[in-house]
Amino acid sequence: DADVTQTPRNRITKTGKRIMLECSQTKGHDRMYWYRQDPGLGLRLIYYSFDVKDINKGEISDGYSVSRQAQAKFSLSLESAIPNQTALYFCATSDYSNQPQHFGDGTRLSIL
Amino acid sequence: GQQLNQSPQSMFIQEGEDVSMNCTSSSIFNTWLWYKQEPGEGPVLLIALYKAGELTSNGRLTAQFGITRKDSFLNISASIPSDVGIYFCAGAIQGAQKLVFGQGTRLTINP
Repeated sequence: DADVTQTPRNRITKTGKRIMLECSQTKGHDRMYWYRQDPGLGLRLIYYSFDVKDINKGEISDGYSVSRQAQAKFSLSLESAIPNQTALYFCATSDYSNQPQHFGDGTRLSIL
Repeated sequence: GQQLNQSPQSMFIQEGEDVSMNCTSSSIFNTWLWYKQEPGEGPVLLIALYKAGELTSNGRLTAQFGITRKDSFLNISASIPSDVGIYFCAGAIQGAQKLVFGQGTRLTINP
C-alpha cells in the first residue's frame, strides 16, 4: 500500500548496533502500529499509538522502543540489536481499533 | 499471545480447485478481516466483515462472519496461480483496542 511507506526496505547490520526503522503515512489515520513477522508465527504486535501523545506496548515490546513524531510518522528503534531480532517488520495504520489496518511493504532486517 | 486459531497452516492444491480456510477463537469478535500477503509485500485487505452471519464476496473470494461471532471462514473458488500467497485472518475482540491475527495459511498451487 503506497499510502504507508517504510524505510529502509532492507537492512543488514551487526549485533549491538542501534537501528531505526521509519514509517510514514498519507492516509490521515490517527492509529499506527509496528508488527514483527517470523516464519510460522504470523504477525506479532510490538507497539502501537492512537495519537501523537499516546504510546502503548504490544505483546513483544522488550528490546524495542518507538517514537510518534507526528500524526503521519511512527518510528521503531532497536537500541542494541541482537540476532534473534532478525525478522520482517511491518508498519500499519487504521482509523479506529476495529477497522482494517493498512500495511506498508515491510522492512527486512538481518542482524549478524 | 495469539488468540486466533487459523487452519490449515498450509495447503497444496491443483489449479482450478476450490479452497477453504477458517479461523476460530474462544473470544467474541466484533470484526473479522481477511488479508493476503505476497512475497516482498505487506498484507493487503481482501474482505472485511462487521456483522454476525454476514456473507461477503470479492470476486472468487467469499468470507463469512460466524453466527457465534467466534469464527470466520474464507473460500476461494476455481483457484488460479496468482492466488498463491499467505492468507491471514484478523479480528477485533469485543472491548479490545487492537486486532489479533491468525498465524496464516500458506497456499501453494500446482499448475
